Amino acid sequence: DVKVTQSSRYLVKRTGEKVFLECVQDMDHENMFWYRQDPGLGLRLIYFSYDVKMKEKGDIPEGYSVSREKKERFSLILESASTNQTSMYLCASSFGTPSYEQYFGPGTRLTVT
Amino acid sequence: KQEVTQIPAALSVPEGENLVLNCSFTDSAIYNLQWFRQDPGKGLTSLLLIQSSQREQTSGRLNASLDKSSGRSTLYIAASQPGDSATYLCAVRMDSSYKLIFGSGTRLLVRP
Repeated sequence: DVKVTQSSRYLVKRTGEKVFLECVQDMDHENMFWYRQDPGLGLRLIYFSYDVKMKEKGDIPEGYSVSREKKERFSLILESASTNQTSMYLCASSFGTPSYEQYFGPGTRLTVT
Repeated sequence: KQEVTQIPAALSVPEGENLVLNCSFTDSAIYNLQWFRQDPGKGLTSLLLIQSSQREQTSGRLNASLDKSSGRSTLYIAASQPGDSATYLCAVRMDSSYKLIFGSGTRLLVRP
C-alpha cells in the first residue's frame, strides 16, 4: 500500500512565524504535490515537484515556498505565517506519468493566530 | 478553462439503497478522472481512476463510468452502508498535465 505521511495532524502557529510542513512518501514516486483545502473553495494546488530539486508553481503559490532535497520528502514552507493561511494542507504523490493515481496524506490542520 | 461540477452537494439515503453520484466537466479533453473519498477532517482516499480511453472501472461495490463526449462521470455505490458516509470528490487531469482539477464534492449520509 502507498503510504504518504505528514509530520503533524494539527498545528497552531503565531502570525509572523516561519512554518515547516513535512511530507514523506514511501513508494518511490517522482511527483509530489501540496494542496490547501478551504470550505467553499475546494482543493487548490500550491506547488508541485516532479523531481528532486525541481518544482513548479501551482494556482496559489504566493506566501509559500517548497523544498525537495530527497525524492521521498517534500516540504512546504510558510516564510511568515498569516491568518489567511489557516487551512487544511494536503500532500500527495504519484508516479511520473499522468496515467497514475495521486495518493494523499492524512492532512495537517494549520491554525495561525 | 476546465470546470468540474458535482451535483448534488449533499445526499441522504437509507441504508441498503443503490445510489449514483454525478460529476460533470466542461472540457472533454481530459487525460483521466479520479474519484476520491474524504472522511471529516481527514485526507483523501483514492477510490477509482478511469483513463480517458476507458468507459468504466469497478472496485467492490463501487462502479465508476466515464462519458468523455458528454463531459460526465458517475460513481455508482451498490447496497450503501453507514460506513459509506463521507464526502466524495471527483477530479480530472487534462492531457499531459500533472495537475488535478477538483469538483467541490458530494457529502453523502447513509442512515442506518
